Amino acid sequence: NAGVTQTPKFQVLKTGQSMTLQCAQDMNHEYMSWYRQDPGMGLRLIHYSVGAGITDQGEVPNGYNVSRSTTEDFPLRLLSAAPSQTSVYFCASSRDGSSYNEQFFGPGTRLTVL
Amino acid sequence: TQLLEQSPQFLSIQEGENLTVYCNSSSVFSSLQWYRQEPGEGPVLLVTVVTGGEVKKLKRLTFQFGDARKDSSLHITAAQPGDTGLYLCAGGEDDKIIFGKGTRLHILP
Repeated sequence: NAGVTQTPKFQVLKTGQSMTLQCAQDMNHEYMSWYRQDPGMGLRLIHYSVGAGITDQGEVPNGYNVSRSTTEDFPLRLLSAAPSQTSVYFCASSRDGSSYNEQFFGPGTRLTVL
Repeated sequence: TQLLEQSPQFLSIQEGENLTVYCNSSSVFSSLQWYRQEPGEGPVLLVTVVTGGEVKKLKRLTFQFGDARKDSSLHITAAQPGDTGLYLCAGGEDDKIIFGKGTRLHILP
C-alpha cells in the first residue's frame, strides 16, 4: 500500500494563478481532509469529506475548493492564489470521521505564492 | 468553537531528563489523540485516549486523559535525541478533527 500520496511536493505560484493539489489514498478510507500548516499555527482544517460526493468546510475554507468524485481522490483547488496561501498543505485520510480513528497523513506539499 | 491549547510551545532539554507537555481545552472531547511530526513529514499517530482518567504507556512515553476529558498530558521519561520533534494533540466532534498548535521538543545530546 502506498498510503496517502500528494503531488506536487513543491510548487511556486504567482499571485492570481490557479492550481490543484492532488491527494490520493489506497486504503479505502471514507474520510479525507486537507490541512494547512504555518509556523506557530499547528494544523488548521481547510475542508473535509466523509465520503464520495460529500464535502464540508473546516476552520479556514476561504480561497479553497474541493470535490470528492471517488473514494480514492480528494483534490484541493486554489482558484486565485494569494501570498497568504503560502503554506505547507497536508492531506489526511481515516476510516471515518470519528476522532477515535487514526488519521494517516501524506508527505505534504510546500506551496509558495509570490 | 472547540480549541486545543498546548504548552509549552517550545522545550529544549538535555538527554536523560524527564518532561511533561500539556494539551488543554474548555470543551469536553470524546477522545484525544497525540501525534508526532518530524521535519518534512506528515504527523504520525502515537496514541488515542478515550476514557476519562485513562493512562496509556508507549515505552518511555506516558499519556494521560483528564478525568473531565478536557485535557491530556504527555510525559517522557529519560528523554533521548530521537524524541526530538513536534508533538500535536488532536480532538474532534461532528467529523471535524482539530489540532493544537503543538509543542516543539528538542533533546540535546
